[in-house]
Amino acid sequence: AQSVTQLGSHVSVSEGALVLLRCNYSSSVPPYLFWYVQYPNQGLQLLLKYTTGATLVKGINGFEAEFKKSETSFHLTKPSAHMSDAAEYFCAVSGGGTSYGKLTFGQGTILTVHP
Amino acid sequence: DTAVSQTPKYLVTQMGNDKSIKCEQNLGHDTMYWYKQDSKKFLKIMFSYNNKELIINETVPNRFSPKSPDKAHLNLHINSLELGDSAVYFCASSPPGVPLEQYFGPGTRLTVT
Repeated sequence: AQSVTQLGSHVSVSEGALVLLRCNYSSSVPPYLFWYVQYPNQGLQLLLKYTTGATLVKGINGFEAEFKKSETSFHLTKPSAHMSDAAEYFCAVSGGGTSYGKLTFGQGTILTVHP
Repeated sequence: DTAVSQTPKYLVTQMGNDKSIKCEQNLGHDTMYWYKQDSKKFLKIMFSYNNKELIINETVPNRFSPKSPDKAHLNLHINSLELGDSAVYFCASSPPGVPLEQYFGPGTRLTVT
C-alpha cells in the first residue's frame, strides 16, 4: 500500500521568499515521486518527478525537490516565490509491481503569494 | 492544439439521471485514466485503460462504466447519478512504456442536484 501526506493545507509566503511545501510518503517498495501543480479551474500539470538516480530533481518554473529515503520525504522548494506561483500543489507517489502507474495523491497544499 | 480534452467542462444534472463525460487525447499515448477529485480536493484514480484494455479498476460503484472505443478516447458513463457523485473528474493519459508521466485534462465539474 502507498500513501502521501502533505503537511499544511495552506502555505502563505511573501513574493521573493523561500517556498517550502512538505510531502511525506509511505510505500512498501521503492517509490516514484511526483509534484503536480493545479491552477484555478485547470487540470494538473507535472512540475517534477523522481524515479531513479539523483535525489535532487529540478522541475519547471524554478522548483526542485529532494528525495530523502531515510525521512520518507519529498519536499518541494523554490528559492524565490513569484506571484504566478500561487496555485494548489499535489504530491503523489507510485510504487512498483501492481501499483506501477497508479498515482496516489496527497491532499494538496494551497500556496498563496502576497506582495 | 489541445493535448487532453474533456467534454463537457461543466455538467449539472439531477439525481437518478445517466450522463457521460468524454475524453480525447492527441498525444499518441496508449494509456488513459479517470480520476475523481472530491470537494476536499482529494484526487483518486478510478480506472486506467491501455490500448483499449482495462488495467486498473479501483473500488468504484458499478454505476460507473468506462468505455474506450480506441486508444485516443476514454469515456466515462455514470448511471443513476447520486449526490455523492458530485466532483471534478479528470482524464489523463501517459506515453507508451511511461505510465508515470501522466498528462491531465482540464477536468469536468459534475454537480448532481
